Parts: sequence; C-alpha cells; structure tokens
Amino acid sequence: DGGITQSPKYLFRKEGQNVTLSCEQNLNHDAMYWYRQDPGQGLRLIYYSQIVNDFQKGDIAEGYSVSREKKESFPLTVTSAQKNPTAFYLCASSQRGRGFNEQFFGPGTRLTVL
Amino acid sequence: QKEVEQDPGPLSVPEGAIVSLNCTYSNSAFQYFMWYRQYSRKGPELLMYTYSSGNKEDGRFTAQVDKSSKYISLFIRDSQPSDSATYLCAMTPPRSSNTGKLIFGQGTTLQVKP
Repeated sequence: DGGITQSPKYLFRKEGQNVTLSCEQNLNHDAMYWYRQDPGQGLRLIYYSQIVNDFQKGDIAEGYSVSREKKESFPLTVTSAQKNPTAFYLCASSQRGRGFNEQFFGPGTRLTVL
Repeated sequence: QKEVEQDPGPLSVPEGAIVSLNCTYSNSAFQYFMWYRQYSRKGPELLMYTYSSGNKEDGRFTAQVDKSSKYISLFIRDSQPSDSATYLCAMTPPRSSNTGKLIFGQGTTLQVKP
C-alpha cells in the first residue's frame, strides 16, 4: 500500500533534549512538508522540501531542523532551542508542478515535553 | 489578523441535520480552496477542492466558493455520527506551485449526535 508513515506515534522528551521524528513516503512524491498542530489552531508549516538535498524554512522554523538526503525520507529534529515543543506533528507529501497537487498526510507524532 | 479565519466551534448537531462550515480569507489572490477532514489523533484527509467561484458537489458534501466576498463554505447533508471530526479549510497563496505552501484555517470541531 502506498502512503506516508510517521514514527513514533507518541514521543516524550525531557527538557534540553533533541529528538528526531521520522517521516517516510512510498508515493514517489518530490515534495514533503512538516506541520505543527496545536489545540484550537490550524496547521502551521515548519519546513518544506521540493526536491532531494534542498529544503526551505516555513513560518515557524525556529528550533527545528530537517534533512532531505533521500526522496522517501524527511526527518524532523526538534532541538532544545524550541521553547514550546509539545504539539502534534504532521508530515505530508505531494507531487510538484502547475495546477492542484494534493498533499497527503501521515498519521502524526504527538510530542510531549516532560 | 490571520489570513484565513475559521470558527473553531465546537458545533454539535443532531443526526440528519444539514451542517454549514465556513471560512473567510483576506487575500484575494488565493487560488485553490480545500476542505480537509481530520479524525481525532489522525492526519487530515482531503475531502474536496475547488478553484473557481460556485458550487462543487460530491455525494453529501457541497463546497461553495464566493471570491467576491472572500468566503468559502462546506455543506454536509444528512449528517451522520461518522462525520464527527475536525474540518479544516485550506488555501493556496500565489506562486504556491513553486513551494506547495498551504494556508490553513483553525479548524471547526463537529459532533453529530445520534
């Protein structure tokens, strides 16, 4: 089955720790995205990548880092510089190009800082 | 002021009711208008998308866009308990074919009671 997987489903972090969230897709999509969702708020874009080895900051990139070494993978690291990291993190992917390109979402990772 | 405004609700209706979900936006250059459905602790899934003003129907769902008023709506006929979810509107800003960026509303939580 084609789709997007995220792991782990739940993640607990102590203050001062860096943690890495995994995102893998087998849809052969060029573009991948990371969003953060807080209660009562919509999705806010953290980072996005249109092609391998290239990525751009979204609206709330501070305290996060990413890499895009493979087309299928787009891991997100939440660093200790992120002041309020407790949230629901969603990864998405899409094709590129003109016209409408649907973004497909993974099941999400819920990160809690202890 | 946010670019996309959506009443977070919650909205509670009896089974069989007609549901109206709405978003307003400020940027007249937005191009595509989407509705995503998100079940609790899951990733969003695309319900419908439209490009031009007018109505688009898919089964019990109708998406309506009024570009002159900068207002979009999603109507759900004969609502079912399985429709209970958070509904997110999303829009593509200009030149989004280069970035894939989406702008999301806050989401409206809908509960359909049997």
